[in-house]
Amino acid sequence: EPEVTQTPSHQVTQMGQEVILRCVPISNHLYFYWYRQILGQKVEFLVSFYNNEISEKSEIFDDQFSVERPDGSNFTLKIRSTKLEDSAMYFCASSSQPNYGYTFGSGTRLTVV
Amino acid sequence: EDQVTQSPEALRLQEGESSSLNCSYTVSGLRGLFWYRQDPGKGPEFLFTLYSAGEEKEKERLKATLTKKESFLHITAPKPEDSATYLCAVVYNQGGKLIFGQGTELSVKP
Repeated sequence: EPEVTQTPSHQVTQMGQEVILRCVPISNHLYFYWYRQILGQKVEFLVSFYNNEISEKSEIFDDQFSVERPDGSNFTLKIRSTKLEDSAMYFCASSSQPNYGYTFGSGTRLTVV
Repeated sequence: EDQVTQSPEALRLQEGESSSLNCSYTVSGLRGLFWYRQDPGKGPEFLFTLYSAGEEKEKERLKATLTKKESFLHITAPKPEDSATYLCAVVYNQGGKLIFGQGTELSVKP
């Protein structure tokens, strides 16, 4: 069964450092998303991406965040200057259509120290 | 304001003891309601999508139903391997943004 692959599975970074979280969506999917889940809290939407541009972003997704699809397979989330409160699980998801069959990756646990 | 609310927050069942999980939503213009299973430290695993009131879907011991205000996930004769957090999420706009509830943590004891 097709999978969404995320790397790394766990990243520890110093406050103020830049991090890039990587995702390989399912190959024939066109819609890409990033979500995050702070420990013990709800899964929260960050950003959606379609046709090489951001479709929608949440209030959380401020100027410190950016997304990119640098080639035909990867989808990345960059946090420019990490804060302690960025510590969370970050999930990538993809779908062939909006409102249909989102597949999530296993996540990257980001720890900012 | 909460748009998706799940209850109970936690549920403990004995193996074979059937029960239901609830997801109530307040969004208008629902485009889809999704149920996911999440194991500790893992990403959400897709279970069902429901699109209109009256719709039902089944998979093994799980059955999901949808009304205009809420959805139920019925678990029949659960087994210990059904233990997980069950997440409900809705989509109400064209972009496909999922809005999640806080989840129900299910524990099934042998």
